[in-house]
Parts: sequence; C-alpha cells; structure tokens
Amino acid sequence: AQSVTQPDIHITVSEGASLELRCNYSYGATPYLFWYVQSPGQGLQLLLKYFSGDTLVQGIKGFEAEFKRSQSSFNLRKPSVHWSDAAEYFCAVGARDDKIIFGKGTRLHILP
Amino acid sequence: EAQVTQNPRYLITVTGKKLTVTCSQNMNHEYMSWYRQDPGLGLRQIYYSMNVEVTDKGDVPEGYKVSRKEKRNFPLILESPSPNQTSLYFCASSYLRGHEQFFGPGTRLTVL
Repeated sequence: AQSVTQPDIHITVSEGASLELRCNYSYGATPYLFWYVQSPGQGLQLLLKYFSGDTLVQGIKGFEAEFKRSQSSFNLRKPSVHWSDAAEYFCAVGARDDKIIFGKGTRLHILP
Repeated sequence: EAQVTQNPRYLITVTGKKLTVTCSQNMNHEYMSWYRQDPGLGLRQIYYSMNVEVTDKGDVPEGYKVSRKEKRNFPLILESPSPNQTSLYFCASSYLRGHEQFFGPGTRLTVL
C-alpha cells in the first residue's frame, strides 16, 4: 500500500543549528515527492518538489531535499534554521494521474 | 496573484444546520480537492474533482457533498453537520492530479 512516514512528530533545534526532517515512502512507481510547510494559522505552502532528474532539489527559504531511491527517502535539510522556520512540515508523495498522499507531519520547534 | 480562496475562514454552527464552504481558484487548474486536518491524523482527502462536472470520493467522504459547475469553484457542502465534523478544512488545486497542489488558507469549522 502507498504510504508516507514521517518518523518524528516533534523536533526541537536551536536557532542557527542545522536541520534534517525525515521522510520515508512506500510507492509502486517512481513517485513525485513534495515537502510543504504550514505556519500557524496558515495553509500549506510548497517548499520544494521532485519529479525526476537531479536527486538533490533546492527549494524556497533555503531548504533542500535529497531523493534516495535505495532508501525510499526524501529528507528535508537546512544548514542553519531561523526562528521563523518554526512550523509544521509535511512530506507528500504522488504520481501522474494519482492522488497525493501526505505524511502526518513533523512540528519543528526552535530554541532561541 | 495566483491564489486559492476559501470562505468563511471561521465558522461556528449547530448540529444539523446546513452549511457551505466556498472555494475558488484563479489559476485555471483542472484538479481541485478538499481535505480535513485533524490533530494526529494529518491531512485526509474528502472529495476531489478532475474537471467540471467530474467529482469523486476521497478517503473520508461521509457527511459531505461537493459540486463542480465551473472550473474555478469547488464548494464543500455539509447538509447536516455533526460535532465529529469539527475540523480545519483546506481546499487545494493543481494543474493535474498528482502534481503540486496550491492550498487555500483554511476554514476552521466548529459544530456544536
């Protein structure tokens, strides 16, 4: 069955520290992969996406993600977090003409 | 500006009183979708539409109706709301199913 797993419900990092949010998926074909961010009281905003090609994808707000087919992973990274990065992050997987499946989210807390 | 709009943003109602949440997009997207977001459950798809007059059930369609008479609009109808429909609702649109989705700001519904 198709699924997306975000193993960490909450993550806390200090401002200025590096960040990695994990995402693993189970999907029959080569999927489209997405990371979204949801700030408090806001809708979801697309951070980055992977369809094909270079497995290291750059997104907005200084985020990047790497697709690793062998590990069925699409982890999100940022070298130095800012207090404004505190939000909930959702990994999602889809395919052409198929629905997008969302993970349950990881809430990121930033320590000053 | 490309956007998805939803109205109302907040709604408190009583059990059994019919309500409609409107959704409109200005990107000429074919695919539109409704989700509900609940703590610990992530985003669950309620209904989706591949194009005008083409709608289908998502994962949690019970108690909801939709219509797609125009490409830009995709209202969500609760004909007899119940307290278990208290939730945060998001409308989303995309060029095609499976591609990145653009989300509205959300509608927080409370059913008493």
